[in-house]
Amino acid sequence: DAGVTQSPTHLIKTRGQQVTLRCSPKSGHDTVSWYQQALGQGPQFIFQYYEEEERQRGNFPDRFSGHQFPNYSSELNVNALLLGDSALYLCASSLVRDTSYEQYFGPGTRLTVT
Amino acid sequence: RKEVEQDPGPFNVPEGATVAFNCTYSNSASQSFFWYRQDCRKEPKLLMSVYSSGNEDGRFTAQLNRASQYISLLIRDSKLSDSATYLCVVQKAGTALIFGKGTTLSVSS
Repeated sequence: DAGVTQSPTHLIKTRGQQVTLRCSPKSGHDTVSWYQQALGQGPQFIFQYYEEEERQRGNFPDRFSGHQFPNYSSELNVNALLLGDSALYLCASSLVRDTSYEQYFGPGTRLTVT
Repeated sequence: RKEVEQDPGPFNVPEGATVAFNCTYSNSASQSFFWYRQDCRKEPKLLMSVYSSGNEDGRFTAQLNRASQYISLLIRDSKLSDSATYLCVVQKAGTALIFGKGTTLSVSS
């Protein structure tokens, strides 16, 4: 049973650049959520995708955008990178019909902005 | 006020000790409650869900007080392998997980 996978594992970018992170959900899951975890903080919700649409969004600027594909995989795009965007980006998948609402996390992508 | 607040820690305890973590949440509409464990530079993993009646999983006991909006986690007979960051998490039905900042536990021999 394949778990949540993310790519790449590490990434170094320069201020002002753009980045795309990718996530494949756990087999059978249809919902993908993205979180940002800065050093020493808990994960913060960015947005959630279901049926290829953004269903919920946290308090993040429009520089953060995403997409979900028909196979349920998802991308997170960040434009005009700032130093403060350096963080661990976590993808979590779940099944909308699962009333336990349990979310399974991928290993994350560690983004460093210099 | 943050939606989920936890003891800042760190907690440094010897093996065999009992340690308790506390957490409060501000949104009374929260419906689901969890403790996640996160090892250094790894993803969070679900430790246990928290139910109103309280629940136990081996050495771990979780309690929820909805009236006080308070959640706790008790770890008995601490092991070296329990060293990690423990994240208190709340959720409204089907929506985003709201994480606390986490409390770091270090168990020493």
